[in-house]
Amino acid sequence: AQRVTQPEKLLSVFKGAPVELKCNYSYSGSPELFWYVQYSRQRLQLLLRHISRESIKGFTADLNKGETSFHLKKPFAQEEDSAMYYCAPKSGTSYGKLTFGQGTILTVHP
Amino acid sequence: EAEVAQSPRYKITEKSQAVAFWCDPISGHATLYWYRQILGQGPELLVQFQDESVVDDSQLPKDRFSAERLKGVDSTLKIQPAELGDSAMYLCASSLARTGHNTEAFFGQGTRLTVV
Repeated sequence: AQRVTQPEKLLSVFKGAPVELKCNYSYSGSPELFWYVQYSRQRLQLLLRHISRESIKGFTADLNKGETSFHLKKPFAQEEDSAMYYCAPKSGTSYGKLTFGQGTILTVHP
Repeated sequence: EAEVAQSPRYKITEKSQAVAFWCDPISGHATLYWYRQILGQGPELLVQFQDESVVDDSQLPKDRFSAERLKGVDSTLKIQPAELGDSAMYLCASSLARTGHNTEAFFGQGTRLTVV
């Protein structure tokens, strides 16, 4: 069965500290992996995708196919990073079903 | 900048009544998604359209929920009759393509449904 797990519901760090939001998935085939973010009072939006291999707002995510993980990392957290983060695999089927994890609320304290 | 539009933003309805939500995706986006998000949980896919065709409705409670995208553009999600457990945020999203590039999903602001 296809499954995505974000083990931490809440994550709190201090400004300037490193942060890692975990995501594990169980999918057949070759899914495409995304991280979406929702800031307070804003709509859900794409943060980054694994095929782009880019850094957005200082965040990076490495796809580890052996561990089936796609953890989101940032070396120095900022207060404006406080938000809800969702890991979202998109299946490799012809129509590309996009599913979401339960989300992690990140709070960055000053 | 083009955005996904949803209406209404908020809806309060009595149980057993019918309710409908409307979504206008970004122009040219072939894929349209409807998600339900219960407070404290991640979005759950209800139905996915490719143009006017349903490609996934495996999680749609078909006894009371229906969705259509008649001309392959805007879409309507209906609940009849509404139940207390349907209280949630209903999100619509669209993407230009299904696979390859341009598969980013763009989300609307959502419709907050409260069933009383």
